[in-house]
Amino acid sequence: QQQVKQSPQSLIVQKGGIPIINCAYENTAFDYFPWYQQFPGKGPALLIAIRPDVSEKKEGRFTISFNKSAKQFSLHIMDSQPGDSATYFCAASKEFSTLGRLYFGRGTQLTVWP
Amino acid sequence: DAGVTQSPTHLIKTRGQQVTLRCSPKSGHDTVSWYQQALGQGPQFIFQYYEEEERQRGNFPDRFSGHQFPNYSSELNVNALLLGDSALYLCASSLQGAEEKLFFGSGTQLSVL
Repeated sequence: QQQVKQSPQSLIVQKGGIPIINCAYENTAFDYFPWYQQFPGKGPALLIAIRPDVSEKKEGRFTISFNKSAKQFSLHIMDSQPGDSATYFCAASKEFSTLGRLYFGRGTQLTVWP
Repeated sequence: DAGVTQSPTHLIKTRGQQVTLRCSPKSGHDTVSWYQQALGQGPQFIFQYYEEEERQRGNFPDRFSGHQFPNYSSELNVNALLLGDSALYLCASSLQGAEEKLFFGSGTQLSVL
C-alpha cells in the first residue's frame, strides 16, 4: 500500500512557469515531510522540508504548502528554469530524527522548456 | 568532505547468484539506510543500521541482509537473485538525533539477467 500518493506523474512547463506537484498521505502519525530532487544517474537530494505545525515554507524559489486537515502538501517552483528539469519526490516520516525511515511517493518527472 | 559513496556503480548478475553492495556514509554520520528504487518508482526502504545492528526493516524478504562495520560503513547482501531485484540500490546516511537530513549516494545499478 502506497503510504504517500503523488501527482502528476509528469509535468511540462515553459521557463518562468510555476509547476505544482501534489502529495497526499493517510497516516496522521507522520510529522516530517521532505521533498527530494533527483537527476539521472544521481541519488535524491533534499530540497526543502516542512513539519505539520506550519502551513507554508519557502526556500529560494521552492515553496511547500501544507494542509494538515486535508492531509495534503504540495511543492511550488517559482520562476522555473531548464536546470530544474528533474524527477521530484515527496516523502513522509514519523519521528525521523530517531527512526529515520522515509516513505516516498512515486515521483513526478518535470521538464522545463527554454 | 566526501558525501555518501557507493560501490560498484553498476553490476550485472544472473538469477540465483548472490551480490554484495558497499556504502561509506558521509563523514560524521553514524546511521546507514538502504533503499531500493525500481525504474520509474520512488525509493523503497529496505533496512537501517545503527550501532552495527539492524534497527528497522521494510517489507523485504530475508534474502536481503546487511551489515554495519565499526567505521559505520555498510554492506547490503542479496541472495538467490530474482529478475525483480533489478533496480537502483541507494545508500543514505544520517546522524542519529541530529537535524533531519538524509544524504543519499548515487546508487548501485543492479541488473539481474
